[in-house]
Amino acid sequence: EPEVTQTPSHQVTQMGQEVILRCVPISNHLYFYWYRQILGQKVEFLVSFYNNEISEKSEIFDDQFSVERPDGSNFTLKIRSTKLEDSAMYFCASSLASGNEQFFGPGTRLTVL
Amino acid sequence: AQKITQTQPGMFVQEKEAVTLDCTYDTSDPSYGLFWYKQPSSGEMIFLIYQGSYDQQNATEGRYSLNFQKARKSANLVISASQLGDSAMYFCAMRELPYNQGGKLIFGQGTELSVKP
Repeated sequence: EPEVTQTPSHQVTQMGQEVILRCVPISNHLYFYWYRQILGQKVEFLVSFYNNEISEKSEIFDDQFSVERPDGSNFTLKIRSTKLEDSAMYFCASSLASGNEQFFGPGTRLTVL
Repeated sequence: AQKITQTQPGMFVQEKEAVTLDCTYDTSDPSYGLFWYKQPSSGEMIFLIYQGSYDQQNATEGRYSLNFQKARKSANLVISASQLGDSAMYFCAMRELPYNQGGKLIFGQGTELSVKP
């Protein structure tokens, strides 16, 4: 069964460093998403991506964040200069259409020291 | 404004019994979708069930069913014949349309379900 994959599973970084989180969505899906979940809290939407551009972003997704689909399979989230409060689980998700169910990857746990 | 409300932070159920997890939502959009996801202690998010706002019948997927009461804006998840492996955090989520937007999901705070042997 096709699934969304994410790498790395856990990343530890120093405050102020850049990180890139990688995702491989399900191959025939057209909509891609990033969400984050701070420990013990609910899942929060960051950004949606369709047709090689951002379709929607939340207020969390400020200038420190960017997304890219560099080739036909990968979907990346870059945090330019990490802050302590960026520590969270980051989930990538994909769906066939905007109205369909979203399938989530296993997440990347980001720890900023 | 809170759009998805899960009022039960924690629930206990005896193995083999049924349990209902509550979810209420708020939207002025006539077109929307409601989802339930399961998050075990390992952290992944597992899609369980979907209900569209125009669906006439309540959604069912195996032991999961969604008790959709549109007028009351509630979308409760019913798990029948609970199993020990059902112990997890459960999130209710809503997606508002229109289709020209990305279809982001808005999540509730979650309910932690513990199944007792």
